[in-house]
Amino acid sequence: QPALTQPRSVSGSPGQSVTISCTGTRSDVGAYDYVSWYQHHPDKAPKLIIYDVSKRPSGVPDRFSGSKSGNTASLTISGLQADDEADYYCCSTGGAYDLSVVFGGGTKLTVL
Amino acid sequence: EVHLLESGGGLVQPGRSLRLSCAASGFVFDDYAMHWVRQGPGKGLEWVSGINWGGSTVAYADSVKGRFTISRDNARDSLSLQMTSLRAEDTALYFCTRDLRTEVTGELDYWGQGTLVTVSS
Repeated sequence: QPALTQPRSVSGSPGQSVTISCTGTRSDVGAYDYVSWYQHHPDKAPKLIIYDVSKRPSGVPDRFSGSKSGNTASLTISGLQADDEADYYCCSTGGAYDLSVVFGGGTKLTVL
Repeated sequence: EVHLLESGGGLVQPGRSLRLSCAASGFVFDDYAMHWVRQGPGKGLEWVSGINWGGSTVAYADSVKGRFTISRDNARDSLSLQMTSLRAEDTALYFCTRDLRTEVTGELDYWGQGTLVTVSS
């Protein structure tokens, strides 16, 4: 169950857009649409911001969007705001066979 | 309002056991799969274990397989994690989380605040 691969850090200025990639394999990200993304501020519980690759839970602004191509999923945050500075994690099911779940290593977003 | 409250964390010696509990409220507990996710000091999120709505299907990360056991009591709206043969690398904040669905998908819409487990002699 190797972790999904994410860049360790990304940065952008307020108002700009950033994209965080999440690379898995054809057994996890590439095989299923159970790809989710989480925003994690220090000392708070992680928050679900994208599920089923591209759906947003109620209350999550449409500045957050998700997509997938092959074995790589992506999270795009547009119109960056200071409060977007946080750690972001992708997550995927490992499949119906072993029912495993795997997270990415996390990406630190810095708003300059 | 959905609420997940973990308990049972603490300081434990290597090789010993510990049982974590999660009390759920604000939703129909047996309509959802549940999971444990942990975060070690200075590390990222790591999925630990998941269980489907009825408890008939369970899954574990390779790092805890054979040592940890997840279970649920739908009559009491509670989730548990029995941890045995604990190692220093199990030191982490353990989160109780709710899956979006009845079966294990790993899409986690609610999280508790976590309970801290420290494994040290």
